[in-house]
Amino acid sequence: GQNIDQPTEMTATEGAIVQINCTYQTSGFNGLFWYQQHAGEAPTFLSYNVLDGLEEKGRFSSFLSRSKGYSYLLLKELQMKDSASYLCAVMDSNYQLIWGAGTKLIIKP
Amino acid sequence: NAGVTQTPKFRILKIGQSMTLQCAQDMNHNYMYWYRQDPGMGLKLIYYSVGAGITDKGEVPNGYNVSRSTTEDFPLRLELAAPSQTSVYFCASSYSGTGGYEQYFGPGTRLTVT
Repeated sequence: GQNIDQPTEMTATEGAIVQINCTYQTSGFNGLFWYQQHAGEAPTFLSYNVLDGLEEKGRFSSFLSRSKGYSYLLLKELQMKDSASYLCAVMDSNYQLIWGAGTKLIIKP
Repeated sequence: NAGVTQTPKFRILKIGQSMTLQCAQDMNHNYMYWYRQDPGMGLKLIYYSVGAGITDKGEVPNGYNVSRSTTEDFPLRLELAAPSQTSVYFCASSYSGTGGYEQYFGPGTRLTVT
């Protein structure tokens, strides 16, 4: 079966750095997405990785290792507005997104 | 641009009732999707469409139907509602179904079936 694993919840301090991990087992791989979802709102796109390595976009970076079935999202200089759920999704061989359950990130002052 | 719009925002249905969730996008995207999101679970794909007149089942299509008569609209029909269909429903669209094209999501419809 297809499986995406992420931690359920993480807590971090304002101004700090946090790394959210995602491991996956899917039938085929056509890229990995990270989305942010604030409580009661729709998911919004953060990043896309299809090749191994690190993609940096401002305070957010995303890393991919296809051989290990592993990705992480790195958030720097945390702000209170970063309190949200972070969803990892893998595009499988049928070009459908398989979604993880999300990691709820709590930022404390 | 309004992006992706969904109506209604909230709805309570009785068991056995039917309803249509509306979804529209003004970005001229060919690809459109319907997902459901249950607490503690990942988004599950119900149906998707690669263009007007073309629809296909996703992971959890039972109890639902869709149509795509225009590029803009992609309504989701629930027939004979059941408590298991209590969920948050998101419609999304994308320029392409392959590559790194992001999916744009509507605000969601929160449905309760009692």
